[in-house]
Amino acid sequence: AQSVTQPDIHITVSEGASLELRCNYSYGATPYLFWYVQSPGQGLQLLLKYFSGDTLVQGIKGFEAEFKRSQSSFNLRKPSVHWSDAAEYFCAVAFGNEKLTFGTGTRLTIIP
Amino acid sequence: GAVVSQHPSRVICKSGTSVKIECRSLDFQATTMFWYRQFPKKSLMLMATSNEGSKATYEQGVEKDKFLINHASLTLSTLTVTSAHPEDSSFYICSARTGFSYNSPLHFGNGTRLTVT
Repeated sequence: AQSVTQPDIHITVSEGASLELRCNYSYGATPYLFWYVQSPGQGLQLLLKYFSGDTLVQGIKGFEAEFKRSQSSFNLRKPSVHWSDAAEYFCAVAFGNEKLTFGTGTRLTIIP
Repeated sequence: GAVVSQHPSRVICKSGTSVKIECRSLDFQATTMFWYRQFPKKSLMLMATSNEGSKATYEQGVEKDKFLINHASLTLSTLTVTSAHPEDSSFYICSARTGFSYNSPLHFGNGTRLTVT
């Protein structure tokens, strides 16, 4: 069965510092890949997605992610975080029309 | 942009009662809607997928007689938690899209916090 791993449960970074959140998936084929952000008590907002083509994907709020087939990874990055980026981040994968599978999430804390 | 409205945002009910949660697509027709359950500090677990006008497809381990899903129109799906018990307390989130594949954007509601006392 397909699976998504987000190795980091909680990450703390200083405001203005760079950020990288890790995501790995397991499956033979290339899936659709997504990153979502969830603020406390809220639903999910799509940051970016990868279906095919350029492996470096730009998203909203200054986020980007790079698909690396050899590593089965889709890590999320931001060059300089803002206090408003504090939230829970979920990586998700889907294969064809199968269900969307979410990782366990990474909680991001920003310190001044 | 596309908006999914989920109501209520919070509900507290007594054990043994039923609770209905509504999920509406406000400015698009939702061919497919999904219901998720999220436990504290956990990921979203898909409960069921519903296509307008047909019966919902439940994930393994989800009791379809307990979690009744109705998708009667292209803009409304409801989740009814029947005979709720404290272990049903959770955060429930719906999502909706216009197509049948992930080429169509998936839009999420803001969730419903259910507390069963």
